[in-house]
Amino acid sequence: AQSVTQLDSQVPVFEEAPVELRCNYSSSVSVYLFWYVQYPNQGLQLLLKYLSGSTLVESINGFEAEFNKSQTSFHLRKPSVHISDTAEYFCAVSEVQGGSEKLVFGKGTKLTVNP
Amino acid sequence: DTAVSQTPKYLVTQMGNDKSIKCEQNLGHDTMYWYKQDSKKFLKIMFSYNNKELIINETVPNRFSPKSPDKAHLNLHINSLELGDSAVYFCASSHSGAGHTEAFFGQGTRLTVV
Repeated sequence: AQSVTQLDSQVPVFEEAPVELRCNYSSSVSVYLFWYVQYPNQGLQLLLKYLSGSTLVESINGFEAEFNKSQTSFHLRKPSVHISDTAEYFCAVSEVQGGSEKLVFGKGTKLTVNP
Repeated sequence: DTAVSQTPKYLVTQMGNDKSIKCEQNLGHDTMYWYKQDSKKFLKIMFSYNNKELIINETVPNRFSPKSPDKAHLNLHINSLELGDSAVYFCASSHSGAGHTEAFFGQGTRLTVV
């Protein structure tokens, strides 16, 4: 079974500082990776995903993540964060079970952006 | 238009009661899920349905019974509620058989058992 480890449960940063949220997954032959964001009292929204191809994937709001197969990592980065980026971030891997797929989530990283 | 909608958003009930949470998606997806998020924000799948057929049942107590009347709906019925059932329950949907499509989540139902 797949597993996902998010090494930091909380990451406080100041506005306009860079940030990296770390994610490691258990190795597999093929892997699909996702970052979801959960704003306070809301559901999860997909931030970005890696399926194949370029190992660097980007979101529309300035986040990027790099798939590193040798290190089994999919760290999320943003060069300059805003107050509005304050949220819980979940790394997830897709796992196929019984012909259906499911997402296996990490425990989440709470990003707090301070002024 | 809301893609995946759940009702109610909040549910407070006493131990021992039976309650239901409804979920509907208008995305044309054929796979729907229930995930549970505990007090520590940990998300774990409970069930998945594909075209109304149960595919994944992740060792959830049989007090939890999902029902899918059609592929656009997946309801969750919980019998004899316990304190430990307090959590946020998320419904989600996606296309089937493709690890490369995203799952769309509802806004969640915060269940509090007192």
